[in-house]
Amino acid sequence: AQKITQTQPGMFVQEKEAVTLDCTYDTSDPSYGLFWYKQPSSGEMIFLIYQGSYDQQNATEGRYSLNFQKARKSANLVISASQLGDSAMYFCAMRGHQAGTALIFGKGTTLSVSS
Amino acid sequence: NAGVTQTPKFQVLKTGQSMTLQCAQDMNHEYMSWYRQDPGMGLRLIHYSVGAGITDQGEVPNGYNVSRSTTEDFPLRLLSAAPSQTSVYFCASSSDGGGDYGYTFGSGTRLTVV
Repeated sequence: AQKITQTQPGMFVQEKEAVTLDCTYDTSDPSYGLFWYKQPSSGEMIFLIYQGSYDQQNATEGRYSLNFQKARKSANLVISASQLGDSAMYFCAMRGHQAGTALIFGKGTTLSVSS
Repeated sequence: NAGVTQTPKFQVLKTGQSMTLQCAQDMNHEYMSWYRQDPGMGLRLIHYSVGAGITDQGEVPNGYNVSRSTTEDFPLRLLSAAPSQTSVYFCASSSDGGGDYGYTFGSGTRLTVV
């Protein structure tokens, strides 16, 4: 069965520091996709970054990068130069065969950025 | 573009009542899905669809029905509401199973069953 594990219920970081949010996954599919979403206190789901299982390079989007370690089945999100507006819940998710074209989510990590 | 529109935004139901949560997208996306979000549980997949006329169950389908008669609409029906269905419900769509553009989510429906 497919599974996403986020082991950090909460993380704290100061402004301008980098932070890594952990995500490990389990799947037997050779082809899968990994996603990170941000959910601020307002509740909307904001897509941040995507990594395909066959992508050779780690994905990057502005201050976000995905540290993809395929052999270790990890897909950690790295946020560089944290900002106060980064305070939110962050979800790691996977698309694979079990869910068809839908997503399986982890339980999330709450990030708090302080000044 | 409106993206993914969910209605209503808030709803209170009595136990045993039925209702339909609406989800519509104007991006011509083939893939649509429903999730529920409960505290500490992340988002869990209820049902999903790969196109008009095709639906399948996700992780937590019991108590919910779906249909997909058009590309644009993917309503979620609660047959007989129970307090355990109190949750925030999200609908999402994508054109190609995600990829570089991800899945687009609606703003959610907060449902309370009393």
